[in-house]
Amino acid sequence: GNSVTQMEGPVTLSEEAFLTINCTYTATGYPSLFWYVQYPGEGLQLLLKATKADDKGSNKGFEATYRKETTSFHLEKGSVQVSDSAVYFCALIGSSASKIIFGSGTRLSIRP
Amino acid sequence: GAGVSQSPRYKVAKRGQDVALRCDPISGHVSLFWYQQALGQGPEFLTYFQNEAQLDKSGLPSDRFFAERPEGSVSTLKIQRTQQEDSAVYLCASSPRLGTANTGELFFGEGSRLTVL
Repeated sequence: GNSVTQMEGPVTLSEEAFLTINCTYTATGYPSLFWYVQYPGEGLQLLLKATKADDKGSNKGFEATYRKETTSFHLEKGSVQVSDSAVYFCALIGSSASKIIFGSGTRLSIRP
Repeated sequence: GAGVSQSPRYKVAKRGQDVALRCDPISGHVSLFWYQQALGQGPEFLTYFQNEAQLDKSGLPSDRFFAERPEGSVSTLKIQRTQQEDSAVYLCASSPRLGTANTGELFFGEGSRLTVL
């Protein structure tokens, strides 16, 4: 079945550091890929998405590229801020499915 | 409000009690999902409604779990004879789109945290 594996946290970085959170997936067909974010005290919200191979999703300075050859969708940001502290979830929806499958989440903490 | 609203936000139940969790989706959203999120884990799919029709309930862990959305708007997740392993945050999400046309943008509520003693 479809699944998502993401790097375990917590990840702690200093402000302005470069961020990478790894995500790989297993799926049949051509899934759509997502990163969701959960800020403290808030509900999950979509951060970015990519619906086909080589697409790059981007939002709020974050980027992720859909790599079909490596079945990966790593999240990157060039310079993190304290306000980026949150839990990040990689997710997919299969080409013939209606439900989103989430990874286990990576907690990110940014030190001032 | 404009977002997905869930109640209660916190619920403590004794083992064996029945609980009901409510979800008010964004007005006009046709798709509604329930997820279960255990501590330190990602959300796990429970069930999906398209309007009032429950199209997928493959994620419900046992027959003690039951969900309904009788008028295609508000939904209730009911757990009968709660057990300790039911302790989790129950998330509701809605979307204006249908099934496989879903773009993946779900609008989540803040969740109902259930603790079973």
